Amino acid sequence: NAGVMQNPRHLVRRRGQEARLRCSPVKGHSHVYWYRQLPEEGLKFMVYLQKENIIDESGMPKERFSAEFPKEGPSILRIQQVVRGDSAAYFCASSPSAGSGETQYFGPGTRLLVL
Amino acid sequence: QQQVKQSPQSLIVQKGGISIINCAYENTAFDYFPWYQQFPGKGPALLIAIRPDVSEKKEGRFTISFNKSAKQFSLHIMDSQPGDSATYFCAASITGNNRLAFGKGNQVVVIP
Repeated sequence: NAGVMQNPRHLVRRRGQEARLRCSPVKGHSHVYWYRQLPEEGLKFMVYLQKENIIDESGMPKERFSAEFPKEGPSILRIQQVVRGDSAAYFCASSPSAGSGETQYFGPGTRLLVL
Repeated sequence: QQQVKQSPQSLIVQKGGISIINCAYENTAFDYFPWYQQFPGKGPALLIAIRPDVSEKKEGRFTISFNKSAKQFSLHIMDSQPGDSATYFCAASITGNNRLAFGKGNQVVVIP
C-alpha cells in the first residue's frame, strides 16, 4: 500500500533552468497539495489541486511557478527560470476527499538546490 | 504573517520525561488543529489532531490540550523516548478550506 511518492528526491539546477517536481498521491486520493519548506521554517501552503482542476493557488508565487494534476499521471509542480531563493524542500500531500479535518498524507519531499 | 506560532524553538528532555510544546493561533475561524512529526529527510506525518469542541485528546503517550479562550493548544509527550527525537509542527485549518497553516516547528531531542 504505497504512500505519497515524490521524485526526484533531490534536484540540482543552475539559475535560469527549469525544475519539474512530480508527485503521485496515495492510490484512490484525488486531492493533492503542494507545500514549500525553507530551512528552519515551517511548511507554507502553495497550491491545492483536484484532478484536472486548480482549486486554490493562493500560496503560489505569481510568476515562474505552475502546477497541474492531469487526469492520468502524477501531479507536477513546475518552476521556470529558477533562482537561488527557490532552494527549498517541496512536499506534496494527498487526501481522499476535501474538507478540514481530512488527514493530509505527506510524501518524502523533493529537495531543490539552485546553484 | 505567521498565523500559528510555536514555542519553545527547541527542547531537550531526559528519557522518561515529559515534552511539552505550545502553539498559539490568531484566527478564531480555525477549527482543526493537527500536530505533525517530522524526522530528518522525511515528510511530516500526522501524529494527533483535535477540534475545538473538546479540551483534550489522548492517543497513547501523546496528548493535545486545547484552550479555546486563550487560542492556544499544546502537545504533551509522556515518557519521552530517544525515538521521539524529531521536529514537531503544529498546524491549523478552517472547514471548507484545505490549506494547513503550519508553525515553524520545534526540535525535540530526547537524551538517554
